Amino acid sequence: EPEVTQTPSHQVTQMGQEVILRCVPISNHLYFYWYRQILGQKVEFLVSFYNNEISEKSEIFDDQFSVERPDGSNFTLKIRSTKLEDSAMYFCASTRVGENTEAFFGQGTRLTVV
Amino acid sequence: GQNIDQPTEMTATEGAIVQINCTYQTSGFNGLFWYQQHAGEAPTFLSYNVLDGLEEKGRFSSFLSRSKGYSYLLLKELQMKDSASYLCAVRDSGYALNFGKGTSLLVTP
Repeated sequence: EPEVTQTPSHQVTQMGQEVILRCVPISNHLYFYWYRQILGQKVEFLVSFYNNEISEKSEIFDDQFSVERPDGSNFTLKIRSTKLEDSAMYFCASTRVGENTEAFFGQGTRLTVV
Repeated sequence: GQNIDQPTEMTATEGAIVQINCTYQTSGFNGLFWYQQHAGEAPTFLSYNVLDGLEEKGRFSSFLSRSKGYSYLLLKELQMKDSASYLCAVRDSGYALNFGKGTSLLVTP
């Protein structure tokens, strides 16, 4: 069964450092997403990406965040200058195009900012 | 804005039936999804409703009333492995999912 894969599974970084989280969406999916979940809190939408551009973004997705599809398979989330409050599980997801299409989530990257 | 409410915790007995409710107030509506999330893992898709009524998938069913802004997830023949968080999520005008805080279900022997 196809799946969304994310690397690394866990990353520890110092405050102020840049991090890049990587995702390989399901190959025939065209919409890609990043969500985050702070420990003990709800899953929050960050950004969606379609046709090589941002489709939607939330208030959380400010100038310190960026997304990129550098090649035909990878989808990345960059955090330029990490803050303690960026510590969370970051989930990548992908969907086909269409209304009744569920999002498939990767296993997540646990980011710890120290 | 969006407001999605679910009970925080529920407990049920193995073999029983449990209903998890979700109410929502959103600016638009393009479908309601239920996901299961075990601790430390990714959400996995359970069901989808966009029209009023009941959708059944094996031991899981989900109901939607758009006029009432209400949905429920029904789990039958509960098993210990069903202990998890159940997330109600609404898709408004785009493709992004807006999640509720989740209901933590504990299944006891």
